Amino acid sequence: DAGVIQSPRHEVTEMGQEVTLRCKPISGHNSLFWYRQTMMRGLELLIYFNNNVPIDDSGMPEDRFSAKMPNASFSTLKIQPSEPRDSAVYFCASSPPGTRYNEQFFGPGTRLTVL
Amino acid sequence: KNEVEQSPQNLTAQEGEFITINCSYSVGISALHWLQQHPGGGIVSLFMLSSGKKKHGRLIATINIQEKHSSLHITASHPRDSAVYICAARGYNTDKLIFGTGTRLQVFP
Repeated sequence: DAGVIQSPRHEVTEMGQEVTLRCKPISGHNSLFWYRQTMMRGLELLIYFNNNVPIDDSGMPEDRFSAKMPNASFSTLKIQPSEPRDSAVYFCASSPPGTRYNEQFFGPGTRLTVL
Repeated sequence: KNEVEQSPQNLTAQEGEFITINCSYSVGISALHWLQQHPGGGIVSLFMLSSGKKKHGRLIATINIQEKHSSLHITASHPRDSAVYICAARGYNTDKLIFGTGTRLQVFP
């Protein structure tokens, strides 16, 4: 099992540029989560999907952020336009179907730096 | 006041010591998660519990629903246990996790 795959692992961009982060969940998992981690705020949920449908996007900071899950094996998080305060580590996680209480499996994260 | 609070924020220990990390929450929960974040940044789920106690190797997690409190214990600590330990609460009818700020543990040989 390859685990949750995220790309790129590191991204450095300039303010105003569009940034797209990618995530491939573990095969067979039906829930996918996008998190952001900063020194100031720690880990925060941005959005999560269940069966490719967005369930809770209350953590998405503002309209500059958007997330899609076109199929069960792929999701993107897009920031347009990016700002220096978006610099953070972005984690994707997935969890399997089944019982109500499932653990989440985290990807390695994408470290984003916006100059 | 954060909905999920951890203590201590930082913890140092000598190899072999018994370690306790505490987590208190103010919201109703369906489950409480303990996560470990290694110095390299990777996050691993350690436990998910809604009542009682769970044990995995040298790690033990307990939860008291009435007191809204959970503890993570590490017996016979080892330098490789050095990491940030994060608790997270999951509310009812949601998969959303609310995270504590983490406890940074350093175990010295």
